Amino acid sequence: DGGITQSPKYLFRKEGQNVTLSCEQNLNHDAMYWYRQDPGQGLRLIYYSQIVNDFQKGDIAEGYSVSREKKESFPLTVTSAQKNPTAFYLCASSISGNQPQHFGDGTRLSIL
Amino acid sequence: AQSVTQLDSHVSVSEGTPVLLRCNYSSSYSPSLFWYVQHPNKGLQLLLKYTSAATLVKGINGFEAEFKKSETSFHLTKPSAHMSDAAEYFCAVTRNNAGNMLTFGGGTRLMVKP
Repeated sequence: DGGITQSPKYLFRKEGQNVTLSCEQNLNHDAMYWYRQDPGQGLRLIYYSQIVNDFQKGDIAEGYSVSREKKESFPLTVTSAQKNPTAFYLCASSISGNQPQHFGDGTRLSIL
Repeated sequence: AQSVTQLDSHVSVSEGTPVLLRCNYSSSYSPSLFWYVQHPNKGLQLLLKYTSAATLVKGINGFEAEFKKSETSFHLTKPSAHMSDAAEYFCAVTRNNAGNMLTFGGGTRLMVKP
């Protein structure tokens, strides 16, 4: 079945540590997105990529980094510069603009 | 700038009664609009979308929504709630004509009482 796979499901970060969240899709979608979700809030866009080897900052990119070396993969690194990283992170993809985004099941990141 | 306001953070209904989840938007152009549902610790699943075709849009699981440009609204309805409908619902609007970014509302938690 086609879909988006996020791993791990749960992740713990120590102070000063960078962690990387994985997102893989086999839908052959060009566009991929990373969102952050905090309790009781909507989704906020961190980064997005419309095509391989290209990505743009979203609304809350500070303290995060991404890469898009392959069409199917869009990993997100939460750096030590992100002072409040505890959240639920969602990855999404879409064929192109104006088409619905398809979501993975998320990664919950917590601070040790 | 585009924005989305979901007017109720929580809605509680009894099983078998109608559901109404309200969404208002602001946009400087003609946007596409979406409703998504999220169950606990899961990603978002598309319920339905409006992309400038028919103003009454039918989605999955018996949900539908009506686009009203004059009221800048896109409310989600269902005639009869099921226990399985209990979840978080999000309304979203495209940010630009390219449609490659979405702005989400804050979400509405739907509770269904037996």
